[in-house]
Amino acid sequence: NAGVTQTPKFQVLKTGQSMTLQCAQDMNHEYMSWYRQDPGMGLRLIHYSVGAGITDQGEVPNGYNVSRSTTEDFPLRLLSAAPSQTSVYFCASRGTGNNSPLHFGNGTRLTVT
Amino acid sequence: GDSVTQMEGPVTLSEEAFLTINCTYTATGYPSLFWYVQYPGEGLQLLLKATKADDKGSNKGFEATYRKETTSFHLEKGSVQVSDSAVYFCALSMEYGNKLVFGAGTILRVKS
Repeated sequence: NAGVTQTPKFQVLKTGQSMTLQCAQDMNHEYMSWYRQDPGMGLRLIHYSVGAGITDQGEVPNGYNVSRSTTEDFPLRLLSAAPSQTSVYFCASRGTGNNSPLHFGNGTRLTVT
Repeated sequence: GDSVTQMEGPVTLSEEAFLTINCTYTATGYPSLFWYVQYPGEGLQLLLKATKADDKGSNKGFEATYRKETTSFHLEKGSVQVSDSAVYFCALSMEYGNKLVFGAGTILRVKS
């Protein structure tokens, strides 16, 4: 059971470049989300989706786009990378039911120079 | 807005010592509360949770009690092991586990 899979694990970008962080889950979870983790700030919600075709903004959405064309996939796009987007990015998904935990991927470490 | 405050780390303990990591929260309603653990190079894993006042979550020897009167959810373990070394995050959710709001995290280092 793969769970939540994120690719790539590491990425270095130059300012202004674009890229897509991939996230896929094989648990048929409706809820998916993206967080960024920065030292001393914990994890902050970027965008989330409650099902295919539905996305919404979290706490820090600026500079990021998402789409949810399938239940399994929830890619995060950086259209024009900035040094402030240097961070570790985590994708997470959750099934229905109040007792379902949030399942996290292993993260993507992004550096923008 | 909703927020979570954790004690700053790192916390360094000897093996078999007692652990407490303090967590307090601010929320407009009655959140569900969580502790997540992150081992080096990995994503976060749910450690325990509580969904209403006076509930006690427990797992792997860790415990935390939802205290509405003090808006707290402190993590405790009676005897830590080297394998407990990790980063611990306190979090809340107003939606049963969606849209988690995290604290800054507390690094725990356990020495043998």
